[in-house]
Amino acid sequence: QQQVKQSPQSLIVQKGGISIINCAYENTAFDYFPWYQQFPGKGPALLIAIRPDVSEKKEGRFTISFNKSAKQFSLHIMDSQPGDSATYFCAASFGNTGKLIFGQGTTLQVKP
Amino acid sequence: DVKVTQSSRYLVKRTGEKVFLECVQDMDHENMFWYRQDPGLGLRLIYFSYDVKMKEKGDIPEGYSVSREKKERFSLILESASTNQTSMYLCASSPTLGTGGRLGYGYTFGSGTRLTVV
Repeated sequence: QQQVKQSPQSLIVQKGGISIINCAYENTAFDYFPWYQQFPGKGPALLIAIRPDVSEKKEGRFTISFNKSAKQFSLHIMDSQPGDSATYFCAASFGNTGKLIFGQGTTLQVKP
Repeated sequence: DVKVTQSSRYLVKRTGEKVFLECVQDMDHENMFWYRQDPGLGLRLIYFSYDVKMKEKGDIPEGYSVSREKKERFSLILESASTNQTSMYLCASSPTLGTGGRLGYGYTFGSGTRLTVV
């Protein structure tokens, strides 16, 4: 019930295309859903996050779509660029625990 | 601009050795975390700490311990290293936000330590 399931494990997209990564969760107590981006040799860095009281959040080319009833959320990268090639992790946390539960990660490659 | 520093990028240790991984943050964050990252498994929480001298077990604490003697420093200890502890280890810190200590926000990660146990 604590798990966050992420798919796909890897993704190849052409430059200018849309990259979509999906996550699903079981624990309805989760109330914070961030996405992290990790480049090789670096630690993950916060990319964008959403609370379950909204269905969508957009920051530049990155959008989180949130479906509370389905217990799913996804990251959309519009106009994907080679510089977006990285590993992406979804995560979730609840209450005051401070613990982030991470998905399995998606390796994105954007081809020029 | 470095905020979370892990003392080693690469380590090679022998089976049975006691291994210390050090993490220091300069953001005055209350909370610190140790994760391990393995392909296909994502990031799994080993231990975390809300305050100096406080620690709590994460999802995979077996074979590990931690120490937090100062606010800025959080050490991960492998009591007797084994080959199945070969992994990337990531340290993170976060502030306690708002009244009631709302946590889980604003993690800052270090660059990781890749540990190989032979």
